Amino acid sequence: AQKITQTQPGMFVQEKEAVTLDCTYDTSDQSYGLFWYKQPSSGEMIFLIYQGSYDEQNATEGRYSLNFQKARKSANLVISASQLGDSAMYFCAMRGHYGGSQGNLIFGKGTKLSVKP
Amino acid sequence: DADVTQTPRNRITKTGKRIMLECSQTKGHDRMYWYRQDPGLGLRLIYYSFDVKDINKGEISDGYSVSRQAQAKFSLSLESAIPNQTALYFCATSEPGTSPSEQFFGPGTRLTVL
Repeated sequence: AQKITQTQPGMFVQEKEAVTLDCTYDTSDQSYGLFWYKQPSSGEMIFLIYQGSYDEQNATEGRYSLNFQKARKSANLVISASQLGDSAMYFCAMRGHYGGSQGNLIFGKGTKLSVKP
Repeated sequence: DADVTQTPRNRITKTGKRIMLECSQTKGHDRMYWYRQDPGLGLRLIYYSFDVKDINKGEISDGYSVSRQAQAKFSLSLESAIPNQTALYFCATSEPGTSPSEQFFGPGTRLTVL
């Protein structure tokens, strides 16, 4: 069965510092995709970054980078130079094979990040 | 205008009532999904549809039904609402064959069943 584990229910970081949000995954598929979404207090889901299982380089998008360690099955999100607006819930997700068809996302339980001024 | 819209945004209903949540998209995507979010549990898949004639159950489909009226519209129904269906419901769309084929989410519907 495919599964995403986020072990940090909550994290605090000082403004302007970097923070790493942990994500481990379990799958027997050779081809898969890993996503991070941000959910601010307003509730919408915002796509941040994607890593394909065959991508050799770690994905980066502005202040977001994904530390992909395939052998360890981890896909940690690194946010550099944290800003107050980064305070939100962060979800790690994997594109799964529910029902034999690829497409749906399997989500972790999320990490609530709080940025302190 | 938002690409994925959901109506209503908030709804309070009573146990036993039938309720429909609607989702519309202007992205032209074939694939649409319904998820529910409960505190501490992340998002879980209720139903998904890969085209108008293809509808599939997700992880937690019991107590729900869906209708794909057109490529752009995907509705979720609770035939007889119960309090443990109180949650935040999201509709999402995606397009296969694109990279990274991320899912685009609507703003969510907050449903309370009393």
